[in-house]
Amino acid sequence: SQQGEEDPQALSIQEGENATMNCSYKTSINNLQWYRQNSGRGLVHLILIRSNEREKHSGRLRVTLDTSKKSSSLLITASRAADTASYFCARLNSGAGSYQLTFGKGTKLSVIP
Amino acid sequence: EADIYQTPRYLVIGTGKKITLECSQTMGHDKMYWYQQDPGMELHLIHYSYGVNSTEKGDLSSESTVSRIRTEHFPLTLESARPSHTSQYLCASSGQGRGVEQYFGPGTRLTVT
Repeated sequence: SQQGEEDPQALSIQEGENATMNCSYKTSINNLQWYRQNSGRGLVHLILIRSNEREKHSGRLRVTLDTSKKSSSLLITASRAADTASYFCARLNSGAGSYQLTFGKGTKLSVIP
Repeated sequence: EADIYQTPRYLVIGTGKKITLECSQTMGHDKMYWYQQDPGMELHLIHYSYGVNSTEKGDLSSESTVSRIRTEHFPLTLESARPSHTSQYLCASSGQGRGVEQYFGPGTRLTVT
């Protein structure tokens, strides 16, 4: 599958702990994005990292990208109950003309108060 | 909150009925997308549009059709609903540039009985 994999599929942690989610893919990318989806709702964009970047930060979020390993990770520090959601990585594949994102299967994060 | 709206939010309808799912955005975005998502699963692109009078099928084959007569409006139609169409349908839009973030509506959860 060109969609790659995210792991873990589900993650349960205590409030205050850090949460790390991983995303692997198989084709060359232009950029990689992370989205959050609260139960039964639409997705919300969190962060975008370009193929020539290795790390980006946004508040309590830290994203890394290793293009040699075709993988990315999302770290949420000092988690809160409100962080409970599903997290998806989405990739823009390299190649002229494509504006479409390919989404992974997501990691379901539960933060226990 | 993104300025992208979907109606209805929930729809339960019998087999054979024609339905139209509405999607509108007020951001002036040229690109719009329809995704299908089963519970707990990844998003699959079923239709996209890069501007008025432009529509294309996505990676996942779908019996639905779309139209883009106005920039802000991207409705999806099922001529004859079947139980296999039961799913969540998410509409999204994105602005100028390649691989920029997508803004999602809240989704329509469709159940065909």
